[in-house]
Amino acid sequence: KAGVTQTPRYLIKTRGQQVTLSCSPISGHRSVSWYQQTPGQGLQFLFEYFSETQRNKGNFPGRFSGRQFSNSRSEMNVSTLELGDSALYLCASRLRLNQYSLNTEAFFGQGTRLTVV
Amino acid sequence: QQQVKQSPQSLIVQKGGISIINCAYENTAFDYFPWYQQFPGKGPALLIAIRPDVSEKKEGRFTISFNKSAKQFSLHIMDSQPGDSATYFCAASMSTNAGKSTFGDGTTLTVKP
Repeated sequence: KAGVTQTPRYLIKTRGQQVTLSCSPISGHRSVSWYQQTPGQGLQFLFEYFSETQRNKGNFPGRFSGRQFSNSRSEMNVSTLELGDSALYLCASRLRLNQYSLNTEAFFGQGTRLTVV
Repeated sequence: QQQVKQSPQSLIVQKGGISIINCAYENTAFDYFPWYQQFPGKGPALLIAIRPDVSEKKEGRFTISFNKSAKQFSLHIMDSQPGDSATYFCAASMSTNAGKSTFGDGTTLTVKP
């Protein structure tokens, strides 16, 4: 069974540009959550998508957005990049049967390392 | 507001020793407490998780102890091995908000041979 796949693995962008990151969850998993990991802030929750709808949102500015497609693949977009956006962006997929499902194991991808210069 | 506080930030243990990492949470609505292990260049991987209806859960060399009244939980790694050297994160979430986990800041464990 293939794991969570994130592409690209590494990315270098210039301040002011925008970037799109992709996450393909484990087959059958319908929930995708995104996290930002930095040395100073640890893992911070960005948002969760389930059935193509954003279900939860963290405390990040509107420059951070995402979406989920009918095949559960998810993308996150960061516009007007700032130096502080440099981080490892992780996505996690879960087998969430419906919006009332209890917590289940989250499987993380290897992340996309974004560097903003 | 940091809702999950993890300590220590770093830990050095001799091979065969016991590694103990502690976490404290504030939100009493949390009802799922996982621990993750992360190696350099990899994403976090679930080690073990506990719900507040039990005080302890053991899987192999890894044990979670949970104290609901103190709002604390800890990870014990028995017979620590050099291969256990990694960063460990505790986390907490609510069943009603399952996709949103709050993480501790992480503990870097080094097991010396």
